[in-house]
Amino acid sequence: GESVGLHLPTLSVQEGDNSIINCAYSNSASDYFIWYKQESGKGPQFIIDIRSNMDKRQGQRVTVLLNKTVKHLSLQIAATQPGDSAVYFCAEGFNDYKLSFGAGTTVTVRA
Amino acid sequence: ETGVTQTPRHLVMGMTNKKSLKCEQHLGHNAMYWYKQSAKKPLELMFVYNFKEQTENNSVPSRFSPECPNSSHLFLHLHTLQPEDSALYLCASSLGTLNSPLHFGNGTRLTVT
Repeated sequence: GESVGLHLPTLSVQEGDNSIINCAYSNSASDYFIWYKQESGKGPQFIIDIRSNMDKRQGQRVTVLLNKTVKHLSLQIAATQPGDSAVYFCAEGFNDYKLSFGAGTTVTVRA
Repeated sequence: ETGVTQTPRHLVMGMTNKKSLKCEQHLGHNAMYWYKQSAKKPLELMFVYNFKEQTENNSVPSRFSPECPNSSHLFLHLHTLQPEDSALYLCASSLGTLNSPLHFGNGTRLTVT
């Protein structure tokens, strides 16, 4: 889940800029992390995942960074577009299906 | 098309009604889940089925009753609900239960009056 200290509930980004969404997780034993995007009226959509044996993973316009030392996860979105406006959730898991979800960050893209 | 289809999309029911939510996945996955999403709260896991067998009941009140007739279909039977049960109910599936990404449907928006 996300701790209040490192979690911003909202993020406003200028179109074309890069976005960084942060998440602090709680269980140092967690070995699987995942980011979801949820648009209004839809269910969460898988973006990217990463296992604890990696510290970086890239997808199409997205990069997830994992810092196990400080239990921090971030999602970077390159060249943010209006369609990126949504709520973004991180989730952590340890060796089973019980993913623990954060409360989410609402990203608004300004034209 | 998400691969996970939920019906109905919206449901309004009284506290004495009985209704069912339906979920179907077309992804060939073996595990299916029910989650509850309430405003300003993290997703709450309710039930997990793996190969049609229930493997998790996360202290959910008995007024919620799941059913999984096969790996592709999942139901949530509702009866004598309370207004605080109003929420978005999300179905998800995954290939396995070990570190597999969940694929969610678009949910059923439930309002209990």
